[in-house]
Amino acid sequence: KQEVTQIPAALSVPEGENLVLNCSFTDSAIYNLQWFRQDPGKGLTSLLLIQSSQREQTSGRLNASLDKSSGRSTLYIAASQPGDSATYLCAVPLKAAGNKLTFGGGTRVLVKP
Amino acid sequence: GAVVSQHPSRVICKSGTSVKIECRSLDFQATTMFWYRQFPKKSLMLMATSNEGSKATYEQGVEKDKFLINHASLTLSTLTVTSAHPEDSSFYICSAPLGGAGTDTQYFGPGTRLTVL
Repeated sequence: KQEVTQIPAALSVPEGENLVLNCSFTDSAIYNLQWFRQDPGKGLTSLLLIQSSQREQTSGRLNASLDKSSGRSTLYIAASQPGDSATYLCAVPLKAAGNKLTFGGGTRVLVKP
Repeated sequence: GAVVSQHPSRVICKSGTSVKIECRSLDFQATTMFWYRQFPKKSLMLMATSNEGSKATYEQGVEKDKFLINHASLTLSTLTVTSAHPEDSSFYICSAPLGGAGTDTQYFGPGTRLTVL
């Protein structure tokens, strides 16, 4: 059974600092890994998807790395802004489970102006 | 990007009533959709997989007679919470993947907040 863990559960930083969010998973037989953002009371917005064959993906200030062998992914957000305040979730589908996603518990981020 | 909608966004009902939540893929077809439940400040928990043209498959511990799922078309899946009780109050979110199994980005609906009085 796949287990996904995100550390820390919460993070508070001053505006301008870089954010580092960690995600670990127990079963490396994954199709891909996806990072999402969720604002309070809202649905999920996909940020980045890394295929299992890739080591990283970048979009603007966001960079996500993937190390399948060690079961880890890291989301970096450069030069954080108050608008980055949200909960960030990582999720993986097991190859045997098709698109079924197992989510981490999320990291609640607060960027203080 | 692809868009998934949910309706209603918020519903308040009395205990014992049934509530239907719709999930639509607006600009793509989805033979599979997923229904998740999220408790306050918790992560998403997969409830069931909705399959167009066949029965839904439920995760362990999810009552299929309680949470009825119908995948009526390639763009619509519905979740009906039958005889709702206060413990069913939660945030329900659906998702739909583009393309084939396991390789594609999943797009999520905006969620439905259910409150059972």
